[in-house]
Amino acid sequence: EAGVTQFPSHSVIEKGQTVTLRCDPISGHDNLYWYRRVMGKEIKFLLHFVKESKQDESGMPNNRFLAERTGGTYSTLKVQPAELEDSGVYFCASSSGLFSYEQYFGPGTRLTVT
Amino acid sequence: KQEVTQIPAALSVPEGENLVLNCSFTDSAIYNLQWFRQDPGKGLTSLLLIQSSQREQTSGRLNASLDKSSGRSTLYIAASQPGDSATYLCAVRGNTDKLIFGTGTRLQVFP
Repeated sequence: EAGVTQFPSHSVIEKGQTVTLRCDPISGHDNLYWYRRVMGKEIKFLLHFVKESKQDESGMPNNRFLAERTGGTYSTLKVQPAELEDSGVYFCASSSGLFSYEQYFGPGTRLTVT
Repeated sequence: KQEVTQIPAALSVPEGENLVLNCSFTDSAIYNLQWFRQDPGKGLTSLLLIQSSQREQTSGRLNASLDKSSGRSTLYIAASQPGDSATYLCAVRGNTDKLIFGTGTRLQVFP
């Protein structure tokens, strides 16, 4: 069974540009989460999808971030326009159920905004 | 607001030592606690998941305990090896279903 995959593994963009990150969860996992780690800080929650619906987006930093999960399969996270403080590692995780179920993480996308 | 703290922030030990990593959290209303390992430039590997009703979980040389009432968890690594060198993260899951992470303990095991 394939794990959670993320693309690209690394992205370097200039301030003001747009970047789209992709996450493919484990097949059959309805729950998909985005997290990020900025330099020197702990990993923080961004949002949670249940199938194609946003269950919790309380961690999204501002309206420059847009997440979608059309069809309830893969998800994209778009940053537009990117700012320097958006640099960090963006992780995606998936789970087959809520609360007591384990979350499985992807390798992350390292985003560098220059 | 849930806060998760890990002590120590870094640890360097010789191979063969038994060691304990600590994790504390401020709100005891959790569903479970997960311990992860992160290697440099890599993703998170789940090591152990302890449900709130459990006291401990074991996997190989790893043993994690949970004392929910006191807001503490420990990860015990027996007979450490250089391959255990990594950053260890604990994360708690509360009633909002998101994981709240600590800042991690960076472990180095030297031969």
